[in-house]
Amino acid sequence: GDSVTQMEGPVTLSEEAFLTINCTYTATGYPSLFWYVQYPGEGLQLLLKATKADDKGSNKGFEATYRKETTSFHLEKGSVQVSDSAVYFCALRNGAGSYQLTFGKGTKLSVIP
Amino acid sequence: EAQVTQNPRYLITVTGKKLTVTCSQNMNHEYMSWYRQDPGLGLRQIYYSMNVEVTDKGDVPEGYKVSRKEKRNFPLILESPSPNQTSLYFCASSLSRGPGANVLTFGAGSRLTVL
Repeated sequence: GDSVTQMEGPVTLSEEAFLTINCTYTATGYPSLFWYVQYPGEGLQLLLKATKADDKGSNKGFEATYRKETTSFHLEKGSVQVSDSAVYFCALRNGAGSYQLTFGKGTKLSVIP
Repeated sequence: EAQVTQNPRYLITVTGKKLTVTCSQNMNHEYMSWYRQDPGLGLRQIYYSMNVEVTDKGDVPEGYKVSRKEKRNFPLILESPSPNQTSLYFCASSLSRGPGANVLTFGAGSRLTVL
């Protein structure tokens, strides 16, 4: 079946550091890929998405590129802020006609001043 | 404001006492879903619904029931709660087609403790 693997957390960075959170997936066909973010005490919200190979999703300074050859969708940000502290979830939807999302286990990011 | 509203936000109950967690959305979304979030396990889907009167099991449906009698509401029912159902529960909804499909809008979560 489909699966999403994220790097283990927690990740602790200093403000203005570079962030990478690795995400790889296993799926048949051509999935759409997503990053969701969960701020403390809140539900998840969509951060960015990409629907086909080589697409780059971006939002709030975060970027991720859909790499079919490496089955990856790594999340990056050039300079993190304290307000980026949250749990980040990689997810996929596999194929037309499917409305189900498969989530990774989440990576907790803490940014310290 | 477009939102998914869950109630209660916090609940402590005892084993075997039936409870219902309500979920309501005001975006006319066809698709609705329930997840539970547990440390080290991420989000796991309990049940989902493609539209009114259409529901199906997710990955961890045991011990739960749902109904979808109206488009906006999707309650989660625990007929006889047990301690292993202590968790953080999220309801989510989305359109079922077009660019908005799978752009889930989540509720704020319901933290349930079963003693």
